[in-house]
Amino acid sequence: AQRVTQPEKLLSVFKGAPVELKCNYSYSGSPELFWYVQYSRQRLQLLLRHISRESIKGFTADLNKGETSFHLKKPFAQEEDSAMYYCALIVGTSYDKVIFGPGTSLSVIP
Amino acid sequence: KAGVTQTPRYLIKTRGQQVTLSCSPISGHRSVSWYQQTPGQGLQFLFEYFSETQRNKGNFPGRFSGRQFSNSRSEMNVSTLELGDSALYLCASSPGQGGGQPQHFGDGTRLSIL
Repeated sequence: AQRVTQPEKLLSVFKGAPVELKCNYSYSGSPELFWYVQYSRQRLQLLLRHISRESIKGFTADLNKGETSFHLKKPFAQEEDSAMYYCALIVGTSYDKVIFGPGTSLSVIP
Repeated sequence: KAGVTQTPRYLIKTRGQQVTLSCSPISGHRSVSWYQQTPGQGLQFLFEYFSETQRNKGNFPGRFSGRQFSNSRSEMNVSTLELGDSALYLCASSPGQGGGQPQHFGDGTRLSIL
């Protein structure tokens, strides 16, 4: 079965502390994974994608096929990082279906 | 480029009625996907269209249908509305060809069923 899990519904960290948002997936094919973010009163938007291996706003995510994980990390959390974060898996023969995790609400405490 | 535009932003309907939601993708994007977002179920994939063809669909009853026009604009229709259909319906577009294409989301249409 194709599935994305994010075990933490809510995550609170202090400003300047490291943050890790967990994501695990279940998929028999070669995974294409993304992190999306939704800031308060804004649209859902792409944060980063695993194939680009880039760092966006200080966030990185590494695909671990052995552990079927794609955790999102940032060494020093900022207040503006407070948002809802969704991990997403693209499946389908034409990469035409996106399965979202339930999301993690990150709150950075000043 | 203008972003993804969804109309209307809000809708109030009663049980048994039907509704049509509209989505205009980013210019040049040929893939349009629809999602239902609720507090209990989160973001659930409804279906995806590319070049007027439905390429994939989620686990929703046949009351949920969609279509895409030659200009890539898409509509979603829900017939015989039920209370449980109350949700935020999101549309997203992408170029549509090749793997790993990020999606660009609209603001959504909030549908309330009375």
